[in-house]
Order: sequence, then structure tokens, then C-alpha cells
Amino acid sequence: QSALTQPASVSGSPGQSITISCTGTSSDVGGYNYVSWYQQHPGKAPKLMIYEVSNRPSGVSNRFSGSKSGNTASLTISGLQAEDEADYYCSSYTSSSTLRVFGGGTKLTVL
Amino acid sequence: QVQLQESGPGLVKPSETLSLTCTVSGGSISSYYWSWIRQPAGKGLEWIGRIYTSGSTNYNPSLKSRVTMSVDTSKNQFSLKLSSVTAADTAVYYCARDFVRDFDIWGQGTMVTVSS
Repeated sequence: QSALTQPASVSGSPGQSITISCTGTSSDVGGYNYVSWYQQHPGKAPKLMIYEVSNRPSGVSNRFSGSKSGNTASLTISGLQAEDEADYYCSSYTSSSTLRVFGGGTKLTVL
Repeated sequence: QVQLQESGPGLVKPSETLSLTCTVSGGSISSYYWSWIRQPAGKGLEWIGRIYTSGSTNYNPSLKSRVTMSVDTSKNQFSLKLSSVTAADTAVYYCARDFVRDFDIWGQGTMVTVSS
């Protein structure tokens, strides 16, 4: 069982917006602004999409945005495109001895 | 730009030690944390641990008793050893640059199967 809770799947039509949630505790998501999001296409390595809750690395589309409220972080993808279909993982720093935790992943289907 | 490449045996026998190396190219390994992360087929990501270029390490408590990481700055490489492996250790193993706030650069991953 993953330390952070994500929905197993979400879906949306091209052009629509979707939001993926990532729920943790005050020891990880709620306690630090060190939440990051990764996109993983089948057979590929994860790619950093969002860091420090809401920051985008250079080269990542501004259709991707992140936010946090309490112990829940969220990734929003606007203007869905077919290429966005992938698995998405959240991650957080944690004050526990584990140091780093991941969510179980969310499969995004673009209808 | 900085690139990471994992290398090592793709098949390890049960009870033996899994050994992988990550080579950093296009930049220096120095003054960064470097992590190992694994992903069993069809499952999520699991952080194994990290090493700083000074040699300081942090391991996931669930694997700590079996994990050893090392770094060779002269070769721009860092390594993972996981002892007493079982089928549950079968996974794709990734190395990644660890910024504490995120893992910003990942290797392509290497599949390791534990089987006799």
C-alpha cells in the first residue's frame, strides 16, 4: 500500500480539464512544499512535470499545473491532448525515516 | 545535458546479491544526492535510498537491512547492492538525481528478474 493516496484512474475528452488528487498526512504532503508530479508513458522512465507543489520545469507545457490544500495535493491538466494519456505519480518528502514517498499512481485515459 | 544510464545483470538468482551501477554523463556527479527507485511490473514506484557524493546514505527502512550504496566520483558513477534477493525484488530499477524537492533526471531503467 502506497504512502500517498491517488485515484487509480481518471479520464477526460480532448480539450477538457482533469484533476488528479494526492492525499497524504501532515508528515509529508501537508508539512512540506516538496510535492512533485511525474508522467510515465508505457515502457518509459518517469518525467518530472511539477516540483515544489506548483512549479513547472523548463519545457513542460503550461497546461500542467499543481496546487495543494492541507494534506492533499492536486495536478490539473487543461486542454487534454492524446499525448497526455499516461500514468501519473505524486511524490513527497516526508519527516518519517522513509524520507521519500510516492503515490500509487493514476492512469489517465484520454477518451 | 546530464544523462543517467543504469547497467548490471538482468537476471539474479534467489538469495544472491543484485548489483547495479548508474553512470552520470554530461555533468559532474559531485555535490548532488543520487537515488535508486524501483518499479515492479504493473505497480507503482518505490524509493530504495539515496547517496550524497560525500558517501553519506539514507535508505528506505523497509529495505535498509539489505541495501548498500556507494559512489565513485572519479568514474562519475554510483552503485546499488541489494542482498538476499527474492522474486519480490523483480522490478525495473531506475537511478535518478535527487534534489530533495524532486527527482529531476532519471535513467531509462533496467529490468532485473530474480529467478533460478
